[in-house]
Order: sequence, then C-alpha cells, then structure tokens
Amino acid sequence: SQKIEQNSEALNIQEGKTATLTCNYTNYSPAYLQWYRQDPGRGPVFLLLIRENEKEKRKERLKVTFDTTLKQSLFHITASQPADSATYLCALDQGSNYKLTFGKGTLLTVNP
Amino acid sequence: EAQVTQNPRYLITVTGKKLTVTCSQNMNHEYMSWYRQDPGLGLRQIYYSMNVEVTDKGDVPEGYKVSRKEKRNFPLILESPSPNQTSLYFCASSNPGTGYEQYFGPGTRLTVT
Repeated sequence: SQKIEQNSEALNIQEGKTATLTCNYTNYSPAYLQWYRQDPGRGPVFLLLIRENEKEKRKERLKVTFDTTLKQSLFHITASQPADSATYLCALDQGSNYKLTFGKGTLLTVNP
Repeated sequence: EAQVTQNPRYLITVTGKKLTVTCSQNMNHEYMSWYRQDPGLGLRQIYYSMNVEVTDKGDVPEGYKVSRKEKRNFPLILESPSPNQTSLYFCASSNPGTGYEQYFGPGTRLTVT
C-alpha cells in the first residue's frame, strides 16, 4: 500500500543549529514533492516544491533534497530560530496533479 | 489580498442536522479541495474539484458532498453529520497551470454532538 512517513513526530533543537526533517514514501512515483509549514490551529502554508528531476532546491534558509531512488526527501532549516517552531508537512502528488497526499508532520521546536 | 476564506470558523451542531461549510477563493484558481485534519491521522483529502462542475472523491469522501457551480466557491455539505465527523476542516485552492502549491483557508472547527 502507499505510505508517506515523516519519521520524527517531534524534533527539538537549539537555536542556531540546522534542523533536518525526513520524508519517506513507498509505492508512489511522484512527479513532485512539497513542504508546508503549519502553526497550531491554522492552515498549512506552502514553503517549497521540488520536482522529480531536481536534486535540490533552496529558498533563503530552507533547503530541500529529493532522492527518487531512496524515495526520500530531506528538509533543512539552517541557522534555526525559535520562530521556526511549527509542524512541517511533506506532501506528494499521486500522479494526477490534482491529488496531494500529506504526511502526518513533524513538530519542530527550536529552543532559545 | 489573495486568500481562501471559510465560514463558519467554528461550529457546534447535533447529529443529523444538515450543515454547509462555505469556501471561497479570489485567485481565479481552477483547483479546489477539502481536507479534514485529525490528531494522529494528519491531513486527509475529502473531495477535490479540477474546475467548474468537475469534482472527484478524495481519500475519505463518505458522509460528505460537494458542488462546484462557480469557479470561486466550493461548499462542503454534511447531509447528516455524525460525531465521527468532528474535526478541523480545511479548504485549499491552487492553479496547476502556474504552480502546484496549494493555498489553504483558515480552517473550520466542527463539533458534532
């Protein structure tokens, strides 16, 4: 069966360090993978999209990698700040470009 | 301001009393979708619409209906709500022609007693 796993429910790091979040999937052949940020009680906010033919994407302090052989995406936040504390969701398409399936998310806490 | 709006934001109702949650977007997006979010289960897609009059089931459509008569609106209808539909609901829109990122509404917290 198809599965998306974000292999840490919660991650605690110190301010200034790099946070690395993982998204693994099985039985999917996604054309692209997305990362979202969600604050408590609010809707997810889009951060980055990476396509199957891209290895890496960057946006300011954020970096995403996509390895279709390992079926894994890594999401990095460098020089992390307490304001980065939130739940981060990965999502991938199911091939139709109209359906996204989300992982359950990783709650990141950046301690000052 | 580009946004997705949902109403109501909070709703407490009783089993069996029909209700509608409205969703509207002002970005001229073709694609709209409804999700529910439950602790431990994450975001799950209920229904989606590729354009006006074109809708399809997501992963958890049972107990829900949708319609897409106008491009900007995508209401979610619960004909006979039950307690297991107590959840946080999100509407989202996107325009696959210009990018696949989804814009989410603020959420509707529904409690069915």
